[in-house]
Amino acid sequence: GQQVQQSPASLVLQEGENAELQCNFSSTATQLQWFYQSPGGSLVSLLSNPSGTKHTGRLTSTTVTKERRSSLHISSSQTTDSGTYLCVHNQGKLIFGQGTKLSIKP
Amino acid sequence: NSKVIQTPRYLVKGQGQKAKMRCIPEKGHPVVFWYQQNKNNEFKFLINFQNQEVLQQIDMTEKRFSAECPSNSPCSLEIQSSEAGDSALYLCASRQGRAEQFFGPGTRLTVL
Repeated sequence: GQQVQQSPASLVLQEGENAELQCNFSSTATQLQWFYQSPGGSLVSLLSNPSGTKHTGRLTSTTVTKERRSSLHISSSQTTDSGTYLCVHNQGKLIFGQGTKLSIKP
Repeated sequence: NSKVIQTPRYLVKGQGQKAKMRCIPEKGHPVVFWYQQNKNNEFKFLINFQNQEVLQQIDMTEKRFSAECPSNSPCSLEIQSSEAGDSALYLCASRQGRAEQFFGPGTRLTVL
């Protein structure tokens, strides 16, 4: 079946550092999304990026469809960025990666 | 910001009991999804609807769950006889057309 692999599984950074999260998927995505899940469980869509580069605020996502990979770059990280980042392959129903747990230390 | 509403936020049931959770999708979103996130943080698609019709569901859902999305009423997902392994976060999402999905806050079910 479809698979989405994320790395690293966890990442600990100091506030102000940049974070780089990686995602590999097993087939060409019709829609590739990045979600943030808060410690309480709520899911928030960050970016929808099937190909190319997209920016929103301090977030930049780059998806290279033919190489089946996507990255999420968070610049100047803040403690409030802590949580789990999920790469999701959207083919109607969503296929979720295992997530990267990001911890930002003050 | 998502306007998907899920109730209750927390649900505690004994094994063998029924567990029912509800979801009100965003206004104008005809497609509704249910997902389960287990204690290992693995997500599993359960079922989706377009208006009142089931589009797709997994085997487990067909056998052990009862789900519906009646018109003018909340969608619901009910486990007929809860098992310990059903303890999870149940997430409802809705979308309009083929656009991205928006999620509710989830119902966290604990089966004792």
